[in-house]
Amino acid sequence: DAKTTQPPSMDCAEGRAANLPCNHSTISGNEYVYWYRQIHSQGPQYIIHGLKNNETNEMASLIITEDRKSSTLILPHATLRDTAVYYCIVRVHTGTASKLTFGTGTRLQVTL
Amino acid sequence: KAGVTQTPRYLIKTRGQQVTLSCSPISGHRSVSWYQQTPGQGLQFLFEYFSETQRNKGNFPGRFSGRQFSNSRSEMNVSTLELGDSALYLCASSLGVVGTVNGYTFGSGTRLTVV
Repeated sequence: DAKTTQPPSMDCAEGRAANLPCNHSTISGNEYVYWYRQIHSQGPQYIIHGLKNNETNEMASLIITEDRKSSTLILPHATLRDTAVYYCIVRVHTGTASKLTFGTGTRLQVTL
Repeated sequence: KAGVTQTPRYLIKTRGQQVTLSCSPISGHRSVSWYQQTPGQGLQFLFEYFSETQRNKGNFPGRFSGRQFSNSRSEMNVSTLELGDSALYLCASSLGVVGTVNGYTFGSGTRLTVV
């Protein structure tokens, strides 16, 4: 699985958009970008994933650059409950690849 | 539908003892993965089971083992506990179907403290 680089921490005001970047310059053609988050003392929660097109669901949007070397997770209207560690993971989904390799993630602090 | 259930939530053991943790996946999910989370090492993959067979394994010593039953429920066992085994142990379930995008749903974890 390709290595990812994320800033260790970010702050965001409640109600504003939170834009969390992730660098994955060694991503290969069959690797997807996944985002998970972990709220304190809970298990990680799946947010979104994508291959090359931008994706949106009820939780967030994922913007992947054309060269696929980086991506941004966007929480459009951050709330205090979005305070968590956000993990960007790159992995294949075919074959027997069956593990998630977590980096250190970005600790997002949403403030009033 | 019910989520991933891990029992117990908290556990205190002494060095040298062994421990068994349990995970019940989401109904219909056949893959169960286990992860260890510590402040120093972060989230690390232990192993994955699919249809009662270990399909993938992380870099942990043989003291860490697991199994999966025919109903997809899984247990992991740690023998001869060491202080460094104190961690949050997380279980994740997925459909496990090769060749498809598999989302992983995590349980709330079992917090093991070794004293």
